Amino acid sequence: NAGVTQTPKFQVLKTGQSMTLQCAQDMNHNSMYWYRQDPGMGLRLIYYSASEGTTDKGEVPNGYNVSRLNKREFSLRLESAAPSQTSVYFCASTKRGGQNTGELFFGEGSRLTVL
Amino acid sequence: AQTVTQSQPEMSVQEAETVTLSCTYDTSESDYYLFWYKQPPSRQMILVIRQEAYKQQNATENRFSVNFQKAAKSFSLKISDSQLGDAAMYFCAYRTSGTYKYIFGTGTRLKVLA
Repeated sequence: NAGVTQTPKFQVLKTGQSMTLQCAQDMNHNSMYWYRQDPGMGLRLIYYSASEGTTDKGEVPNGYNVSRLNKREFSLRLESAAPSQTSVYFCASTKRGGQNTGELFFGEGSRLTVL
Repeated sequence: AQTVTQSQPEMSVQEAETVTLSCTYDTSESDYYLFWYKQPPSRQMILVIRQEAYKQQNATENRFSVNFQKAAKSFSLKISDSQLGDAAMYFCAYRTSGTYKYIFGTGTRLKVLA
């Protein structure tokens, strides 16, 4: 039972480089999310996709782009990485509507370091 | 916009004792969900307990219970009979009713002393 899978788990980038974090869920969830976690700041929402075909900005979207490729996949792209984007990134998903607990399911996180 | 505040960056509790973690939130919605998540050193996010705002009864899950005060916009987590495995970062979270946005607090690091 894979749940939410993120790749890569670790990445080191140089300032100005680009990269894409991949996320896939196999739970048939409608909504998907990208968060970043920094010490003392909790989890902050970068972007989310309430349903396939839609994306919306969260609290800290600057410097990021997202693509909801299909119902399963939601990618996060850093076009020109900056040291301020050094963080742990979490992808998450949840079922929308119907009988559900509202629980947000998380991937294992991706640690990104920008030098 | 909704906000979630956890005013205790760090708490300590003796093994087998009880500890309460605080969470307050700000919203104009009447229907929403509240959650407590645990993050051990493994970094995995684990759901501890959830509360639906329209339910007046406080949620309980084994040693974990909440004190949900809707009018005060307060949602505290009580851990009874604390165990070493409870040591972790705990996050309070709020889910909006319409847009399904999940907003997290800054977390409380819980230390359990043997």
